Amino acid sequence: QVQLVQSGAEVKKPGASVKVSCEASGYRFAAYYIHWIRQTPGQGLQWMGCIYPYNAATEYAPNFQGRVTMTGDSSVSTVYMELTGLTSDDTGVYYCARDPRGLNWFDSWGQGTLVTVSS
Amino acid sequence: DIQMTQSPSSLSASVGDRVTITCQGSQDTGNYLSWYQQKHGRAPKVLISAASVLETGVPSRFSGSGYVTNFTLVISDLQPDDIATYFCLQYALLPVTFGQGTRLDIK
Repeated sequence: QVQLVQSGAEVKKPGASVKVSCEASGYRFAAYYIHWIRQTPGQGLQWMGCIYPYNAATEYAPNFQGRVTMTGDSSVSTVYMELTGLTSDDTGVYYCARDPRGLNWFDSWGQGTLVTVSS
Repeated sequence: DIQMTQSPSSLSASVGDRVTITCQGSQDTGNYLSWYQQKHGRAPKVLISAASVLETGVPSRFSGSGYVTNFTLVISDLQPDDIATYFCLQYALLPVTFGQGTRLDIK
């Protein structure tokens, strides 16, 4: 079965960066887009962007452009999301999710990674 | 960005009731609309895609309808296991955008 397993919770100081991983299993990794979505108390669910592991193509949401980088490593079926310039507004749960048909909706989600930004 | 206005924001109903949640888009999204259920502390789970297509394993008491800007999720015969927050997602245009959520509990 499709499974996405994310890295553990992080605590960061303002101005720092965070890198979250998402390891996929149960399907052909390179063939499906992986998206990143975050859930914060202030903004609810926000789409951050996506990566197509087959060719590493990325698309980022305008709100995160310049601060987010998504990469992939097919040898370990893992995608990564790095967010820089953290502020307290970035505190929330970050999810990876699989796109089943390249249409930008999500059929499987990771368990979420809590990122806390605090001085 | 397309704004998705979801209502109500919260709702309390009894076991066996029929529950209706709506999402209205600020622009035409065709049928590019999906619905998700999120239980407390868990990741969202897809219920419906393409406005009305029930995903595999989702109970038939869930149904979706709508087109263009107005969409509806109906839960018929509400069960205790349906306690959750429900979100809509438009995926017609990037950035994809979510409704604010409807928190459903049992009376």
